[in-house]
Amino acid sequence: ETGVTQSPTHLIKTRGQQVTLRCSSQSGHNTVSWYQQALGQGPQFIFQYYREEENGRGNFPPRFSGLQFPNYSSELNVNALELDDSALYLCASSELQGATEAFFGQGTRLTVV
Amino acid sequence: GENVEQHPSTLSVQEGDSAVIKCTYSDSASNYFPWYKQELGKGPQLIIDIRSNVGEKKDQRIAVTLNKTAKHFSLHITETQPEDSAVYFCAASKGNNFNKFYFGSGTKLNVKP
Repeated sequence: ETGVTQSPTHLIKTRGQQVTLRCSSQSGHNTVSWYQQALGQGPQFIFQYYREEENGRGNFPPRFSGLQFPNYSSELNVNALELDDSALYLCASSELQGATEAFFGQGTRLTVV
Repeated sequence: GENVEQHPSTLSVQEGDSAVIKCTYSDSASNYFPWYKQELGKGPQLIIDIRSNVGEKKDQRIAVTLNKTAKHFSLHITETQPEDSAVYFCAASKGNNFNKFYFGSGTKLNVKP
């Protein structure tokens, strides 16, 4: 086990709704990245948070937003859900300055109907 | 941006045989190349990584080779076992940020007993 936990594990939402996903980092890690993994695809980088500030963003619209808290846990928020948002959402924590490996959580499976 | 391509998409081998998965990348500034194993219902788990100042790295039955000139890297698994069956992803990142990855599309490895 990596020490990175995500909640909830599964979620079903209706198109147009909003959703919040949560990630608890591994102890000592100050950086969290979020990824979207569509079925049968590799994970795609959404954004990264380092010490509570956004530190880079992938090709995702502004309705994908995030937060990082002083304890380095993180949230991913998605507004105005679309059917194509159905995917496995992964977070990964790491120690940015230490250039160490990133550890992934088990993911949250989001289904939009 | 970076583009990582991975082949083959599926690979079936007999137990004890070797398996090779290949990836190419487009951004010559990429300098860190991890390989992740993802089992059903779990998040990706790092199995081996290589940095651009090294041409080859080995860890027991697993090895990775990197050709910076050709911009490709490969995963080699020897003496495959049924528990090696999973989806394998290659990824690339640059700078010292080892948590902002561009992933390949994945290879589903099936090891037949």
